[in-house]
Amino acid sequence: GAGVSQSPSNKVTEKGKDVELRCDPISGHTALYWYRQRLGQGLEFLIYFQGNSAPDKSGLPSDRFSAERTGESVSTLTIQRTQQEDSAVYLCASSSTGGNQPQHFGDGTRLSIL
Amino acid sequence: GESVGLHLPTLSVQEGDNSIINCAYSNSASDYFIWYKQESGKGPQFIIDIRSNMDKRQGQRVTVLLNKTVKHLSLQIAATQPGDSAVYFCAENILTGGGNKLTFGTGTQLKVEL
Repeated sequence: GAGVSQSPSNKVTEKGKDVELRCDPISGHTALYWYRQRLGQGLEFLIYFQGNSAPDKSGLPSDRFSAERTGESVSTLTIQRTQQEDSAVYLCASSSTGGNQPQHFGDGTRLSIL
Repeated sequence: GESVGLHLPTLSVQEGDNSIINCAYSNSASDYFIWYKQESGKGPQFIIDIRSNMDKRQGQRVTVLLNKTVKHLSLQIAATQPGDSAVYFCAENILTGGGNKLTFGTGTQLKVEL
């Protein structure tokens, strides 16, 4: 597609379950980013990919969070043993390079932990 | 720590008037700034960017001004329309080892009154 695509758009799950969120970046974009946005707040950086490698994982809040990217395209963000504090919108963005280029966002996955 | 912040959490303007949204940043190493518009239930949408070697940049109905002396960024929207109602975020970009990382402010809600 023309833009960044994320799935699912909404996810409701019970505390303690694992969830996997998917991001399809804009075709040809080498840089991919994950952010978390809590209700009424700005975006928190989670992790950055350049190609298939992740030079910056500094924003991952705990070892329950992990992400991978394959084929320099699709990325998945996995949250294990979810907790209620994980409830948020998870946004993915991509840019053509890792330098000073605008990041283009998907519409996010709204995650609700019961 | 260093942060990006906004002066006004909510801005109400009359349709047709000009809007000015302000942002203060504190990291003198930031070299690239972006304004995003976020509508309810959607991801941030790129509006305009500016590099640190510029003071002003114009787009269609939008102008971004950068004052590095006082570390201040503003977004001006001309002839504000109802469709401009949204939350606006400024973001500063810091080049890390291998890529860029955006730090977002908490956002300003722009309300356009008919």
